[in-house]
Amino acid sequence: GAGVSQTPSNKVTEKGKYVELRCDPISGHTALYWYRQSLGQGPEFLIYFQGTGAADDSGLPNDRFFAVRPEGSVSTLKIQRTERGDSAVYLCASSLGSHSPADTQYFGPGTRLTVL
Amino acid sequence: GIQVEQSPPDLILQEGANSTLRCNFSDSVNNLQWFHQNPWGQLINLFYIPSGTKQNGRLSATTVATERYSLLYISSSQTTDSGVYFCAVERSWDYGGSQGNLIFGKGTKLSVKP
Repeated sequence: GAGVSQTPSNKVTEKGKYVELRCDPISGHTALYWYRQSLGQGPEFLIYFQGTGAADDSGLPNDRFFAVRPEGSVSTLKIQRTERGDSAVYLCASSLGSHSPADTQYFGPGTRLTVL
Repeated sequence: GIQVEQSPPDLILQEGANSTLRCNFSDSVNNLQWFHQNPWGQLINLFYIPSGTKQNGRLSATTVATERYSLLYISSSQTTDSGVYFCAVERSWDYGGSQGNLIFGKGTKLSVKP
């Protein structure tokens, strides 16, 4: 595709529910990143995939958050037992994943998650 | 961890004015990107600029890696330039490779008035 796509664009859920957020990266990009942006703040890193494996998950806030990328393309961010503090915009980015310093990340439009 | 500080936090300009946004970072970086987040929340790449100077139309950026800062220049501002400008850096490992994740500053919120 032309860019990174994310679905849904908006998700409203109730406290305690389970949600899945999907990211479709730019074709040919092996690296995929998830970030979370709270109101008035810059995006904060959650997890980074190189291919199918999570290269760095140090940004996941707790074990309620989990992400997969089974075929090295589409990724799903899964949040269990959602809390009101999980409300934020969840951003996905992809890059060529060359590990070189010249590896630009391109961002999707985000999913706005609201936990009531 | 690495600190990324942007200034000013807010900036109001009259259409046609010029401005300079600053980004300071506290450690060596392999990657520095400037983004514009439009009112709909989309992050748009402006520059990949770990060092040196680049220009793209009315925008230009300079990064002085040895002094750990980057500047974004906006000339002849337009109302469509409004939004939040983010600087983001990617740390380098000791051997020179990149760590992967971007660390963002808090952004500069720019409002351009007609």
